[in-house]
Amino acid sequence: SQQGEEDPQALSIQEGENATMNCSYKTSINNLQWYRQNSGRGLVHLILIRSNEREKHSGRLRVTLDTSKKSSSLLITASRAADTASYFCATAPLTNTGNQFYFGTGTSLTVIP
Amino acid sequence: KAGVTQTPRYLIKTRGQQVTLSCSPISGHRSVSWYQQTPGQGLQFLFEYFSETQRNKGNFPGRFSGRQFSNSRSEMNVSTLELGDSALYLCASIAGSGANVLTFGAGSRLTVL
Repeated sequence: SQQGEEDPQALSIQEGENATMNCSYKTSINNLQWYRQNSGRGLVHLILIRSNEREKHSGRLRVTLDTSKKSSSLLITASRAADTASYFCATAPLTNTGNQFYFGTGTSLTVIP
Repeated sequence: KAGVTQTPRYLIKTRGQQVTLSCSPISGHRSVSWYQQTPGQGLQFLFEYFSETQRNKGNFPGRFSGRQFSNSRSEMNVSTLELGDSALYLCASIAGSGANVLTFGAGSRLTVL
């Protein structure tokens, strides 16, 4: 399987704290994306980082990418209760002939008010 | 723009039956992908359609099939349902050339009894 893995599987923090989740993947990639899923709903795109980028910011989100280690991290700063959701990384392999993405197993984040 | 619309949202079937799920992508999006999400396996890629042609296929048995119509709407069919087919089926559309971001529908939750 080319599926990636997120770590930790579950994370519980207090509102206002920072949340960090990690993603490891297996193949060489064009880009890596992070998605968020609220309980049993569809996924929402958060941020995309290309293989030639090392860090990217969007609002309270910071993503890093280390292609040599085939890993990425997502940092959410100053977390809010509304950030409670599952977070997935998705990779687009270099060998992609279309739009096939490989998703990680997800990190379930709970932000306690 | 209207989002990705999936119907039905919930359905219950019994083993051996078949099911058809529908997905209407965002207007102008030509690529439609389907994913199966289960607690144990995470998001697994089923297939992708682009301009009415299947462009990629995941590692699923032949009981899983799909098609895309000229208006880019897509359907997926699962025949001879098994208990293990119980899952959230997610459809995602993407604009096509050069685009990287998936827009997901809310999903169709299938329960097989």
